[in-house]
Amino acid sequence: AQTVTQSQPEMSVQEAETVTLSCTYDTSESNYYLFWYKQPPSRQMILVIRQEAYKQQNATENRFSVNFQKAAKSFSLKISDSQLGDTAMYFCAFMKHGGANNLFFGTGTRLTVIP
Amino acid sequence: EAGVTQFPSHSVIEKGQTVTLRCDPISGHDNLYWYRRVMGKEIKFLLHFVKESKQDESGMPNNRFLAERTGGTYSTLKVQPAELEDSGVYFCASSQPRTSGRGDTQYFGPGTRLTVL
Repeated sequence: AQTVTQSQPEMSVQEAETVTLSCTYDTSESNYYLFWYKQPPSRQMILVIRQEAYKQQNATENRFSVNFQKAAKSFSLKISDSQLGDTAMYFCAFMKHGGANNLFFGTGTRLTVIP
Repeated sequence: EAGVTQFPSHSVIEKGQTVTLRCDPISGHDNLYWYRRVMGKEIKFLLHFVKESKQDESGMPNNRFLAERTGGTYSTLKVQPAELEDSGVYFCASSQPRTSGRGDTQYFGPGTRLTVL
């Protein structure tokens, strides 16, 4: 079975600063996908960034980047130049490649950007 | 393009009553998923439809939960009779067919917050 662990229930960061959210996972699969989803207050969950495990290069989407360490089974999210709109619940998720399509989620990290 | 929609946004019912949640996926998305988040815990998979067929329902908690997707469009999730532990946020998600090469990305609805008293 796959498990995803987010060890930081809550975090805060000053506007314009950089913050890193941690995520570790456990799997016996060799190929899979990893995702970070964001759910702003009272709004729906949206995809922030995705990583394919067979790709060594870390994914980047504008101010969002990941540090994917496959051997360590770690997938942290770095948010640069934090903005007030980044305040949200962030969920790390895992999906096997092929076969079942369902996502395995962590418990989430509530991030607050302080003006 | 309209996103995934869910109805209702909130539902408060008493133990023993029946509730039906609805999900409308993005048009053209064959895959439809139901997930649930109980307060403070991780979001957990309930089941997966491919068009109108149940592909995987391994996450359904028990036989009080019934999901349908008639015609392969919208889906309903009925809880009958509801119990206190069914409270939580129920999310629906949809994705393109795997053959499209983008079937791994799931798009989520806003969720239905269910409270059972």
